[in-house]
Amino acid sequence: GAGVSQTPSNKVTEKGKYVELRCDPISGHTALYWYRQSLGQGPEFLIYFQGTGAADDSGLPNDRFFAVRPEGSVSTLKIQRTERGDSAVYLCASSLAPRDRGTGELFFGEGSRLTVL
Amino acid sequence: GESVGLHLPTLSVQEGDNSIINCAYSNSASDYFIWYKQESGKGPQFIIDIRSNMDKRQGQRVTVLLNKTVKHLSLQIAATQPGDSAVYFCAENIEIKAAGNKLTFGGGTRVLVKP
Repeated sequence: GAGVSQTPSNKVTEKGKYVELRCDPISGHTALYWYRQSLGQGPEFLIYFQGTGAADDSGLPNDRFFAVRPEGSVSTLKIQRTERGDSAVYLCASSLAPRDRGTGELFFGEGSRLTVL
Repeated sequence: GESVGLHLPTLSVQEGDNSIINCAYSNSASDYFIWYKQESGKGPQFIIDIRSNMDKRQGQRVTVLLNKTVKHLSLQIAATQPGDSAVYFCAENIEIKAAGNKLTFGGGTRVLVKP
């Protein structure tokens, strides 16, 4: 498709379980971002990939969170031992990078809503 | 998808009137600012951006004003339409190449357009 695709759109899991969220960016976009959005708040940065490597993972809250992008396209956000506080919408975005080639506009997917019971 | 904006400040505006949404940003080193629109169950959608070397930029029906002295950003929507009903977020960024386009988002304002 033309936009950023995220799956699953909804995920309900139990506390302590492992979860994977997938992001398929816009074709040709080398930069990929993960954000987390809690109810009533703005998105918070988690991690940024330039190509296959994580250029900035300073937003990952702790070592239960990990993300990969092995071939420089699709990315997976992995959450181990989920906690109720992990419940949020996880947004993926992609852009042409670096920003000095243009506006660097981020194109967001519709998000994966994670609910931890 | 998730519904956003349940506890956000709300701006109610009559259809056809102009809307002004305000945002105070936090980092005096930020040099790039963006407004995003987010409808319920969807991801944020780019509206307009402005760099710190400008104080005003216009798009189609939208104008962004930047006051760096007081670290204030505003979005003006002309002739507000029902389709403008959404949550609006400002975001800021520091133009460091290694940081890509990592954004810091504000808390958001919900706009409700009354017919």
